[in-house]
Order: sequence, then C-alpha cells, then structure tokens
Amino acid sequence: AQSVTQLGSHVSVSEGALVLLRCNYSSSVPPYLFWYVQYPNQGLQLLLKYTSAATLVKGINGFEAEFKKSETSFHLTKPSAHMSDAAEYFCAVRSNFGNEKLTFGTGTRLTIIP
Amino acid sequence: GAVVSQHPSWVICKSGTSVKIECRSLDFQATTMFWYRQFPKQSLMLMATSNEGSKATYEQGVEKDKFLINHASLTLSTLTVTSAHPEDSSFYICSAGHGYSEQYFGPGTRLTVT
Repeated sequence: AQSVTQLGSHVSVSEGALVLLRCNYSSSVPPYLFWYVQYPNQGLQLLLKYTSAATLVKGINGFEAEFKKSETSFHLTKPSAHMSDAAEYFCAVRSNFGNEKLTFGTGTRLTIIP
Repeated sequence: GAVVSQHPSWVICKSGTSVKIECRSLDFQATTMFWYRQFPKQSLMLMATSNEGSKATYEQGVEKDKFLINHASLTLSTLTVTSAHPEDSSFYICSAGHGYSEQYFGPGTRLTVT
C-alpha cells in the first residue's frame, strides 16, 4: 500500500519569499512521486515528477523537489514566490511496478501575500 | 503535450435524472483512463480505472451501478451518473495514460444536482 502525507493544509508566504510545501510518502516498493498544481475550477497540471533517476527534480514555473529516501520525503520548493503561484498543490505517489493508480495527498493551499 | 478534454465543463440536472460526462484524449491513445471525484476543498478520490475494451475496475465503496463507466475506444471514456441525487454533486475529473507514462488530467466537470 502507498500513501502520501502533506503537512500543512494551508501555507502563506510573502511574494518573493521561499516556498516550501512538505510531502512525505509511504511505499513498500520503490515509488514514483509527483507534484500537481490545481487552480480554481480546473483540472490538475503536472509540476514535476520523480521516476528513480536524479533525486533533485526540476519542474515548471521554477519549482523543484528533492527525493530523500532516508527521510521518505519529496518536498516542493521555489526560491521566490510569485502571486501567480497561489493555488492548491497535491503530492501523489504510484508504484513503479505496473499499477498506474495514483494516490493523492490531501493538498496544500498556497496563499501569496503581496 | 498530451491533451485531455472533458465535456461538459459544468452541468446542472434534476434529482432522479442521469447525466453523462465524456473524457477524451485528443492527441494520444489512452489505454487506461481514470475517474476521480473531488469535493470542495478536498483531495481527489479515485473512483474507477477503465481499460479500453474491458470492464472498469471500481474502488471500494463506489457503486458501479450508479457510476457507469464505458471505455469504448482508445480516445474516449464516459462516466454516467444514474439517478443522480444532490449528494452526487461534485467535481469529476478524468485522467488518461498510456503504459508507464504519466497521467494527463482533464479540466474537470462540475455536476450540480438540484
């Protein structure tokens, strides 16, 4: 069984400040990990994904995440927040052995303070 | 990039009627499509997985007779909510994938049952 835990349902940062959204995973097999962003009344857009290659993954819109097996973490960061980053962010995990089912975390709502 | 569309984007129906939601992969052939349900300010919950030409696999607790899923071709899957009730009001999101590739998400359909 796999699961992800997102610490902090709401995160607020000032424009220009560091963004850090936390995700910890649990998986009995090597995982694939994903971060998605969702804007109001829209579907999900893939920010980045870890698929067992480089542990530091760079994504779109200046976001990156680091896979840390020892900490079972895959935190999402961005050096400088922009107003357009305000959205809901979901971490997700799936097995890298067949089974394409994604398991999502509960989401973190990011608010940017002007 | 791969594009997935949903139709309609929003629908209002009366209690007791049925409504069909379409999910299409526009520029690739999707061997697998997934249907998710999302309540306000909550995460995505997988309802079912459908493979082209075979019966859908429903998650525990999802009524297969109420949420009929058909995956008739490699580019189209449909979700029919039968005898809809107000508690079925939700945001329904589909995603499509091919083999080990990532899932591509549709923009979602907001269903309101009055």
